[in-house]
Amino acid sequence: AAGVIQSPRHLIKEKRETATLKCYPIPRHDTVYWYQQGPGQDPQFLISFYEKMQSDKGSIPDRFSAQQFSDYHSELNMSSLELGDSALYFCASSPRGVNYGYTFGSGTRLTVV
Amino acid sequence: AQTVTQSQPEMSVQEAETVTLSCTYDTSESDYYLFWYKQPPSRQMILVIRQEAYKQQNATENRFSVNFQKAAKSFSLKISDSQLGDAAMYFCAYRRDRDDKIIFGKGTRLHILP
Repeated sequence: AAGVIQSPRHLIKEKRETATLKCYPIPRHDTVYWYQQGPGQDPQFLISFYEKMQSDKGSIPDRFSAQQFSDYHSELNMSSLELGDSALYFCASSPRGVNYGYTFGSGTRLTVV
Repeated sequence: AQTVTQSQPEMSVQEAETVTLSCTYDTSESDYYLFWYKQPPSRQMILVIRQEAYKQQNATENRFSVNFQKAAKSFSLKISDSQLGDAAMYFCAYRRDRDDKIIFGKGTRLHILP
């Protein structure tokens, strides 16, 4: 079965650079969620989108922005990268209104040097 | 604010034995969902089991079952016949009915001893 696809799997950036993470949800999943998991930490909710509109917002820094496109894929844009942004970034997807835990992608490991 | 607490940072169990991971949560809501996620060394987040708060019957998925005590706000995970592949970090998680976000506990790292 198709899963949530994230790209790239690994990304190394320097401080103050910009990074773009991509997420392709499971077909027919119209809601996308982004999470950040720091080393040894639990995942923290960043933001979610439904039908290209932001539907919920968590602890996402102002330096980060995200959007969902008409094909439901989503991109997380991160600017002015800081060392503390080094983390595993998960995307997840679900059909709207379905109240079970959503399906996570394998994550993008971002390392800021 | 809702919180999820996992009081056991690490646990070990002998292969084929049974182990129970503890989780408590705090909420004033009546409609919510609880989950256990598994994160093996591959870092993939895998849904193990879910429980709807309005259901009194405890959820079961093969060797995995929960003990959901709504009044006590407790949601423990029991793994029967532990296997080496069960070694992972286990996160207890909560989602309010009208929210998108899932709130995770700090996790319990489970070691399986051969």
